[in-house]
Amino acid sequence: QSVLTQPPSVSGAPGQRVTISCTGSSSNIGAGYDVHWYQQLPGTAPKLLIYGNSNRPSGVPDRFSGSKSGTSASLAITGLQAEDEADYYCQSYDSSLSALFGGGTKLTVL
Amino acid sequence: QLQLQESGPGLVKPSETLSLTCTVSGGSISSSSYYWGWIRQPPGKGLEWIGSIYYSGSTYYNPSLKSRVTISVDTSKNQFSLKLSSVTAADTAVYYCARQPEIAAVENWFDPWGQGTLVTVSS
Repeated sequence: QSVLTQPPSVSGAPGQRVTISCTGSSSNIGAGYDVHWYQQLPGTAPKLLIYGNSNRPSGVPDRFSGSKSGTSASLAITGLQAEDEADYYCQSYDSSLSALFGGGTKLTVL
Repeated sequence: QLQLQESGPGLVKPSETLSLTCTVSGGSISSSSYYWGWIRQPPGKGLEWIGSIYYSGSTYYNPSLKSRVTISVDTSKNQFSLKLSSVTAADTAVYYCARQPEIAAVENWFDPWGQGTLVTVSS
């Protein structure tokens, strides 16, 4: 079981907005460490989607946004598209001296 | 454009040592701006950070794997390597290498990633 908790699955219809949560604790997200998000399409390597809680790398559509509050973070996807169907992972750091990943969330576009 | 490519045996016997190499192209592994990391993903499961290394040889390891992991760097070949000893079936996974910005070291994100290589532990 991951220290960073994500819902196993979320779904939405094309054009809708979905959010994916990432819940940690006072030793990781709550301690002020940044949260980063990745998209993993089937059979491919993860791709950086959001870094430093809310920053988008060049080339990532502004439909993707990130936020952080307290011991949790969220990834929001607006204007859902079929190609957004993928697994999404959050990442942070823990004061136990380890980089951490969430367990992953499978997004299904209905 | 920076690219990373993992290489190594796809099959390792239980109790033996898993060895993988990541070759960096399109940029220098000796850049003072980055760490270089290994991450793995068991089939159908989530991601697990293994460890990261700086070009100087400074390393950070996942505490849960630290006793079995060694990460090294060869700046002359623009490569860094992973050794994981005493492997079991639980170490079967796709192993990825990736780059991390140096500021705040292992707190940072990974980008880009290699395509990954599947290593199966079986007799």
